[in-house]
Amino acid sequence: KAGVTQTPRYLIKTRGQQVTLSCSPISGHRSVSWYQQTPGQGLQFLFEYFSETQRNKGNFPGRFSGRQFSNSRSEMNVSTLELGDSALYLCASSLMAGNSGANVLTFGAGSRLTVL
Amino acid sequence: AQTVTQSQPEMSVQEAETVTLSCTYDTSESDYYLFWYKQPPSRQMILVIRQEAYKQQNATENRFSVNFQKAAKSFSLKISDSQLGDAAMYFCAYRGTLNTGTASKLTFGTGTRLQVTL
Repeated sequence: KAGVTQTPRYLIKTRGQQVTLSCSPISGHRSVSWYQQTPGQGLQFLFEYFSETQRNKGNFPGRFSGRQFSNSRSEMNVSTLELGDSALYLCASSLMAGNSGANVLTFGAGSRLTVL
Repeated sequence: AQTVTQSQPEMSVQEAETVTLSCTYDTSESDYYLFWYKQPPSRQMILVIRQEAYKQQNATENRFSVNFQKAAKSFSLKISDSQLGDAAMYFCAYRGTLNTGTASKLTFGTGTRLQVTL
């Protein structure tokens, strides 16, 4: 069974640009969550999608957005990139929505974004 | 808001020995889940062990076990017979059960880097 696939693995952008990251969940998983990992702030929750609906959003500016498609694949977009957006962006999928006891997250290997 | 604290930035253990990683958390919820995740240099977060707060019995997974003290809000991870492959960052994480938002996200600690020496 294939795991959570994130693309691209590495990318470099300049300030002011925008970026789109993709996440393909494990087959059958309908929930996708995104996390940002930085040395300074650690791991922070961005948002969770289930059945194409955003269920929860973390404390990030509106420049951070996401969506989920009918096949459960998800994308996140960051517009008007800032130096502080440099981070490892982790996607995780789970079978069910957040409040199920069986909801164990399986993470992808992440997309490392560098903003110059 | 829920917080998770890992007070040991780095730990070191010799191969075949036992090491315990500490984690404390703060929450006003009575029902929740606690996790330990491992992040090796490959960056992929791997679930090590999970504990349901309503279960008094401590979870175990092979060489990994936890000491869950609900009243003290403590959730430590014990690794027995440490192996070189155990070297990684270990993150303690909390997930609530309320539909107000705590249920759909993990709150992570800052991590403990574990070194395993020969």
